[in-house]
Amino acid sequence: AQSVTQPDIHITVSEGASLELRCNYSYGATPYLFWYVQSPGQGLQLLLKYFSGDTLVQGIKGFEAEFKRSQSSFNLRKPSVHWSDAAEYFCAVGAWGGGNKLTFGTGTQLKVEL
Amino acid sequence: ETGVTQTPRHLVMGMTNKKSLKCEQHLGHNAMYWYKQSAKKPLELMFVYSLEERVENNSVPSRFSPECPNSSHLFLHLHTLQPEDSALYLCASSQDRGLSGNTIYFGEGSWLTVV
Repeated sequence: AQSVTQPDIHITVSEGASLELRCNYSYGATPYLFWYVQSPGQGLQLLLKYFSGDTLVQGIKGFEAEFKRSQSSFNLRKPSVHWSDAAEYFCAVGAWGGGNKLTFGTGTQLKVEL
Repeated sequence: ETGVTQTPRHLVMGMTNKKSLKCEQHLGHNAMYWYKQSAKKPLELMFVYSLEERVENNSVPSRFSPECPNSSHLFLHLHTLQPEDSALYLCASSQDRGLSGNTIYFGEGSWLTVV
């Protein structure tokens, strides 16, 4: 079975600074991967996804993520953080042939200092 | 607006009450899901429906009873809940449950408090 680890529970960055949120997965074959964002009191909004092909994927709101098979990672990045990016971010992994069952990480809470 | 609408957004119920959560998707999808989100725990998949047929039940207690009358609507009927059932319940949908890699779209959730 697949698993996901988001090592950072909380991260604080200054507005305008760069951001990297870590996601490590465990799965025996090539997974498919998502990043979702959840603002307070809201549901999960899809930021970006990786299914196959180019390992650097672009998402909404200026986010990107890079799939690194050798490191079993799918880290989320943004070159310049905005105060509105403060939210909780979830990485999720699915297994091809697994019937679209996603395994989610426990999330990283992002705080942005003005 | 994700195309998945959940009502009510907030619900407070006693342990002896019976209530229902409703979900409607406007995306033309064939698969719908219920997830539970508790504090400091990963999202837990509860139920999966594909073309109105329940295809997954992840050992959820019988006090949670799902219903999928058609591919656009999904309900979660609640009865005799416990305080530990207080959580955010998220409905989601995807084009097809059988094809791995389909993007799952979430609603905004229903906050449930059991008193």
